[in-house]
Amino acid sequence: QVQLVQSGSELKEPGASVKVSCKASGYTFTDYAMNWVRQAPGQGPEWMGWINTKTGNPTYVQGFTGRFVFSLDTSVSTAYLQISSLKAEDTAVYYCARDATQQPYYFDYWGQGTLVTVSS
Amino acid sequence: SYELTQPPSVSVSPGQTATIICSGDKLGDKYVFWYQQKPGQSPVLVIHQDKKRPSGIPERFSGSNSGNTATLTISGTQAMDEADYYCQAWDTRTVVFGGGTKLTVL
Repeated sequence: QVQLVQSGSELKEPGASVKVSCKASGYTFTDYAMNWVRQAPGQGPEWMGWINTKTGNPTYVQGFTGRFVFSLDTSVSTAYLQISSLKAEDTAVYYCARDATQQPYYFDYWGQGTLVTVSS
Repeated sequence: SYELTQPPSVSVSPGQTATIICSGDKLGDKYVFWYQQKPGQSPVLVIHQDKKRPSGIPERFSGSNSGNTATLTISGTQAMDEADYYCQAWDTRTVVFGGGTKLTVL
């Protein structure tokens, strides 16, 4: 069965960096795009962008450029989200979500989420 | 940018039909997807391409989409259906989510 298992919660100080992992299993990793979604406390999901798992090419939504980096290690079927220069407003749950196709369209499987807390 | 609008909350009695709407400009020209999210859990896809149910989703969940409005209908609502529901569409290479509707089963 398809599973996306994310790394555990993180507590970081402002200005630090964090790297969230998302390990996929139960399907061919490069057959489906991988998306990243942010959900701030008490808010709805917000699409951050996606990464083409065949080429490694990332696409970032406006508002998630500069400090956010999507990457892959296809040898271990894992996608990564790195956020640098963390700010308090980055506090949120971050989800990886498999797309149902090779392009962003809709999300048929989600990771369990990684809570990133930014606080001094 | 494209926007999807949902009512913040909907209440329903157990066994009754819950209707959650999602509005957007010419939404009927796009496919709409619905996700259920229970507290502390990840979203789960319950409807894709307007009206299709993924494997494992109960038949009481159904969807429709026409004009400017998409609708998620839950027939014979159960206590376990209490959750936040989000609609989603795809517009000009962008995934857009609605603001979410909290379904309360009274």
